[in-house]
Amino acid sequence: AAGVIQSPRHLIKEKRETATLKCYPIPRHDTVYWYQQGPGQDPQFLISFYEKMQSDKGSIPDRFSAQQFSDYHSELNMSSLELGDSALYFCASSPTTSGVSYNEQFFGPGTRLTVL
Amino acid sequence: AQSVTQLGSHVSVSEGALVLLRCNYSSSVPPYLFWYVQYPNQGLQLLLKYTTGATLVKGINGFEAEFKKSETSFHLTKPSAHMSDAAEYFCAVTFNQAGTALIFGKGTTLSVSS
Repeated sequence: AAGVIQSPRHLIKEKRETATLKCYPIPRHDTVYWYQQGPGQDPQFLISFYEKMQSDKGSIPDRFSAQQFSDYHSELNMSSLELGDSALYFCASSPTTSGVSYNEQFFGPGTRLTVL
Repeated sequence: AQSVTQLGSHVSVSEGALVLLRCNYSSSVPPYLFWYVQYPNQGLQLLLKYTTGATLVKGINGFEAEFKKSETSFHLTKPSAHMSDAAEYFCAVTFNQAGTALIFGKGTTLSVSS
């Protein structure tokens, strides 16, 4: 079965640089979520999109922005990177069937971002 | 607001022993509850979920959990631990609305000794 695809899987950046993470949801999933997991931490919700509109917003820094495109893939843009941004970034997707969403989120493998 | 508390950041069991990982939730609306497992340097794999219906849910790898509304609990159990069960386990809560965040507990590290 198709899974959530994230690219790149690993990314190394310098402080103050920018990074773009991409997420391709499972086919026919219309909702995308972004989470950040620091070392030894639980995943923290950043932002979500439903039908290309922002749905929910968590602890996403102002330096970060995200969007969902017409093909439902999503990109997380991160600017002015800081050492503390080093983390595993997960994307998840969920389906809506006949107008009903059970909000079951399927996670991608994550992008490991290292900021030096 | 929703929250999850996982009691015990680290649980150690012997191979073949019962596994019990505790999760209590707080939610002002009917919750959807999940258990995820994460192996080192890997992603989050769904073990099982409770949305509606039967309160005893069975998942993969022999795990099961029971939703107890009166106790606001969703504890994860497995009758007999295997060495391969050693991992980080996260309990998470959300509710039935598209795009709503999953709120995770702090996680419980399960160690299995031979």
